[in-house]
Amino acid sequence: EDQVTQSPEALRLQEGESSSLNCSYTVSGLRGLFWYRQDPGKGPEFLFTLYSAGEEKEKERLKATLTKKESFLHITAPKPEDSATYLCAVPPNQAGTALIFGKGTTLSVSS
Amino acid sequence: KAGVTQTPRYLIKTRGQQVTLSCSPISGHRSVSWYQQTPGQGLQFLFEYFSETQRNKGNFPGRFSGRQFSNSRSEMNVSTLELGDSALYLCASSLGRLTDTQYFGPGTRLTVL
Repeated sequence: EDQVTQSPEALRLQEGESSSLNCSYTVSGLRGLFWYRQDPGKGPEFLFTLYSAGEEKEKERLKATLTKKESFLHITAPKPEDSATYLCAVPPNQAGTALIFGKGTTLSVSS
Repeated sequence: KAGVTQTPRYLIKTRGQQVTLSCSPISGHRSVSWYQQTPGQGLQFLFEYFSETQRNKGNFPGRFSGRQFSNSRSEMNVSTLELGDSALYLCASSLGRLTDTQYFGPGTRLTVL
């Protein structure tokens, strides 16, 4: 069964304290891995798409990396405004735009 | 470029009623997907529409249905509402169907009393 698992469920950091979020998946023949950020009561905001092992993408304090079985979202020197739930998703083994989402990691950054 | 818009943003209904939610995709996007988000289950895929045809369906009962119009706008309908249907309903649009990035709207918060 296709699955996406994110860890940890929740993460509390001090401002400036770098860390990483993990997303592991069991889908074979990966057709892309997507990272989103979601603020409370809002729709997910697209961050990155990764397609192949070894690929990396960066945006401000965030860097996403991909291996054959997992992806990491590295957060460098986070600020309070980085507080949100971070979701990763993969398409299942069938055509179409359906995405399987992980349950997310809720990040809280305090000053 | 305007993003994905969803109306209404909030809805309160009672059990047994039906509801229709609307989604306008990003201009030029032809694919629209719907998701249900609840605290317990997270984001779950409902269905996907492309060129006015339902192309894919998640594991939801037949009370959940949808359609897409020629201008790519989409509606989702839930009949005979149950308490468990209370959720944030999200619409996402993408250019095509294969590995294209999906962009989400703000969602419609449905509360069933």
